[in-house]
Amino acid sequence: LAKTTQPISMDSYEGQEVNITCSHNNIATNDYITWYQQFPSQGPRFIIQGYKTKVTNEVASLFIPADRKSSTLSLPRVSLSDTAVYYCLVGDGGSQGNLIFGKGTKLSVKP
Amino acid sequence: NAGVTQTPKFQVLKTGQSMTLQCAQDMNHEYMSWYRQDPGMGLRLIHYSVGAGITDQGEVPNGYNVSRSTTEDFPLRLLSAAPSQTSVYFCASSYPTSGRYNEQFFGPGTRLTVL
Repeated sequence: LAKTTQPISMDSYEGQEVNITCSHNNIATNDYITWYQQFPSQGPRFIIQGYKTKVTNEVASLFIPADRKSSTLSLPRVSLSDTAVYYCLVGDGGSQGNLIFGKGTKLSVKP
Repeated sequence: NAGVTQTPKFQVLKTGQSMTLQCAQDMNHEYMSWYRQDPGMGLRLIHYSVGAGITDQGEVPNGYNVSRSTTEDFPLRLLSAAPSQTSVYFCASSYPTSGRYNEQFFGPGTRLTVL
């Protein structure tokens, strides 16, 4: 399973765009990149998933370069309610029962 | 659908006691997992199951047992509780799709304190 590395914490202000980058140098051909969000005292919640290039949904965008050794989660115009821990995971359909969460990135959004 | 449910929400045990944390899902998901989360840490995988009758160990399996007799239920047993097992426990489930990884749905968690 590919190991991921992401910043421990980030600070932002309301209305700004936030980009959180995750490194996964050993990503395998079959691996997908998935991001989760976790609020205090809650279980993680799926945000977005991608394999290559760019994926966008109503919450975020995920940018994946051609070599797939990193990925960037982009949160447009953050609000106070986006304050949470964000986890980057790498794995495939055969490993989804055995995924490794890291410590994640704690995003603090200030007014 | 209720999604993933966990009981109890809170539990206090004394060292050496045993107990079972319950997890159930009504989404017909084949994959189910148990994680623990210590303060300020990420989630660590304890055990997981890829289907009824099949279980395997994760990162931190010592001191825990699991079984999967039905698709819906995946209980986690603490054999002899220790203070080091004080943590928040999350259960998760997902439906496998060939090739593509599918999102995991997490329960609300069980906050366990071992004195």
